[in-house]
Amino acid sequence: QVQLQESGPGLVKPSQTLSLTCTVSGGSISSGGYYWSWIRQHPGKGLEWIGFIHYSENPYYSPSLRSRVTISVDTSKNQFSLKLSSVTAADTAIYYCARGYQLPKGWFDPWGQGTLVTVSS
Amino acid sequence: QSVLTQPPSVSGAPGQRVTISCTGSSSNIGAGYDVYWYQQLPGTAPKLLIYGDNNRPSGVPDRFSDSKSGTSASLAIAGLQAEDEADYYCQSYDNILIDSVFGGGTKLTVL
Repeated sequence: QVQLQESGPGLVKPSQTLSLTCTVSGGSISSGGYYWSWIRQHPGKGLEWIGFIHYSENPYYSPSLRSRVTISVDTSKNQFSLKLSSVTAADTAIYYCARGYQLPKGWFDPWGQGTLVTVSS
Repeated sequence: QSVLTQPPSVSGAPGQRVTISCTGSSSNIGAGYDVYWYQQLPGTAPKLLIYGDNNRPSGVPDRFSDSKSGTSASLAIAGLQAEDEADYYCQSYDNILIDSVFGGGTKLTVL
């Protein structure tokens, strides 16, 4: 059973770059037609899709965040990563990684437990 | 403001049936894209409830079902149980935003 776990700093200063890693266990990141995704949830708010990557394809980003987002994959470590540049307080959120099916029109399952990232000086 | 509109809250007594609506437009649900549903228990990550044409992942009881008509979709929960108290989100694709979109979420309270 595939499991995902986010890791990275919980506090980032404004204007800096947020960097998170998602470690996949119980399955290979380079097997199947899965799309490895990042989704965030602002405190007490709804869900916002950030982007996804397939191990052998170019990443795909949400148009609203495309100018600041980079998603990459490291098959040797069975990990994929998120970088979000020029962060502001509006980027404070719980960041989830998830496995995606048939994206961008498909669904996400399973999800990692999420990690809270606070943007503050 | 979410592209998909859900009621902020719904409630029901144990054993009752409740429905949660998800209203979109001609560029998402109305365009025929699938709608997916997630359950988020307090303090936890969202969990997939329904995907595709009323498909449930292993372990999701058949008390959960969905339907779609025009530009709207609905999640129905039959035989309401205390453990169903959670936030529920719908998700689809929008061909104008070229984006995967979520509803704003609905808090279900079991009375």
